[in-house]
Amino acid sequence: QLQLQESGPGLVKPSETLSLTCTVSGGSISSGTYYWGWIRQPPGKGLEWIGSVYFGGSTYSNSSLESRVTISLDTSKNRFSLNLRSVTAADTAVYYCVRSLPSLWSGYDFWGQGALVTVSS
Amino acid sequence: QSALTQPASVSGSPGQSITISCTGTSSDIGNYNSVSWYQQHPGKAPKLMIYDVSNRPSGVSNRFSASKSGNTASLSISGLQAEDEADYYCCSYSSSSTPYVFGTGTKVTVL
Repeated sequence: QLQLQESGPGLVKPSETLSLTCTVSGGSISSGTYYWGWIRQPPGKGLEWIGSVYFGGSTYSNSSLESRVTISLDTSKNRFSLNLRSVTAADTAVYYCVRSLPSLWSGYDFWGQGALVTVSS
Repeated sequence: QSALTQPASVSGSPGQSITISCTGTSSDIGNYNSVSWYQQHPGKAPKLMIYDVSNRPSGVSNRFSASKSGNTASLSISGLQAEDEADYYCCSYSSSSTPYVFGTGTKVTVL
């Protein structure tokens, strides 16, 4: 069974870079069938799609975050990462790593448990 | 990008049926069949309940069904059970600047 697990600092200072890693087990990110991505949820609020990346190199991201976001794959370690630069308190959220269905826009069928990241000095 | 519009809350008694609406535009729901629905219990990760408008992933109860008409998608839950009490989010592909847009979320309460 596929499992995704987020890891990274739970506290980031304003203006710094938020970095999270998602380790995948039970499947390969190099399979070329799925997109891998990130979705976040501020405390008490709704879901916000951040972006997705494909083994072949295609990436898509939320236009409101695009200038600050990098999502990348590390196939040697079967994991992928999120970097969000110049963070503010508005970036405080639970960050979920996800896997898409074979058709990217059909939905995300596997989710990590989520990692709370707080932006504060 | 604008979020898809959902009612803030919907409630029903055990055994009843409820429907949650999700209103978008011709840039998303109206012209694409990439509508999905997620269920989220408190403190848990969301779970995919419906994909491509009306398809249920393996393991999802057939009490959950969905459809769309024009710019509005709908999720129906029949035979409402206590375990169905959760937040529900719709989502759609969008031809606007952000290609994947979530709904505002609906809290379902089982009375």
